[in-house]
Amino acid sequence: SQTIHQWPATLVQPVGSPLSLECTVEGTSNPNLYWYRQAAGRGLQLLFYSVGIGQISSEVPQNLSASRPQDRQFILSSKKLLLSDSGFYLCAWRDTRRATGYTFGSGTRLTVV
Amino acid sequence: GENVEQHPSTLSVQEGDSAVIKCTYSDSASNYFPWYKQELGKRPQLIIDIRSNVGEKKDQRIAVTLNKTAKHFSLHITETQPEDSAVYFCAASRNSGYSTLTFGKGTMLLVSP
Repeated sequence: SQTIHQWPATLVQPVGSPLSLECTVEGTSNPNLYWYRQAAGRGLQLLFYSVGIGQISSEVPQNLSASRPQDRQFILSSKKLLLSDSGFYLCAWRDTRRATGYTFGSGTRLTVV
Repeated sequence: GENVEQHPSTLSVQEGDSAVIKCTYSDSASNYFPWYKQELGKRPQLIIDIRSNVGEKKDQRIAVTLNKTAKHFSLHITETQPEDSAVYFCAASRNSGYSTLTFGKGTMLLVSP
C-alpha cells in the first residue's frame, strides 16, 4: 500500500531563516506531488505541483521554492522566511494513472517568529 | 481554469439533524468530484467521491449528488453526530491523473449535542 511521509510535524523559525520541508511517498512510482499551505485554518492554497523529477509548476509567486530530486521526494524551501509564511503546510500525492483524490501527508505546522 | 464555489462557509446543526453542503464548478470538462473532511489540526481526508457518469453515491450516513447540467454537487450527511464536526472541502478536476484538483474554500460544520 502507498504511504506518504512528511516532516517535521512542527517548526518554529525566526524571520529571515531558511526553510526545508520534506515529503516522500512509498509504494508507488511517478506520482503527482503537491505542496499546499493552509493559513488561518481554512482554505487550501496550492503552492507547487510536480508531474515528474525536476518538473515543478508554481501557482503562487513568493519567496518559496520547490524541488523534486527523486521520483518520490518533494522538498519545499525558502532562503529567508517571512512572518507571512506561517501556516500549515501539506504535501499530497496523486496516482497519475487514474484521476483519484489526493492523499495528504500529516502536515507541518510552521510558525515564523 | 476551474473555479469551485462552496456554501455555506459555516453550518451549525443539532445532533441527529441532516447537513447539506453545496458546491458549484465552472469547467464543464470536470468529471471527478471528491469531498474531504479535515478535523482540527489534522490533514484533510477523502470521505467520498463521485464521477460524472453517476448522479448519486452513498456511503452509510454520507451521500453525494451531482447535477452535471447545472454544474453543482452536494454533500449530504444524515443523523449528524458530534464527531462529524470538522471543515469539509469539495473539489473538482478533469478525468486525468495529471490534472489538479481545485478546492472550494471549505465549510465548517458544527454539530451540537
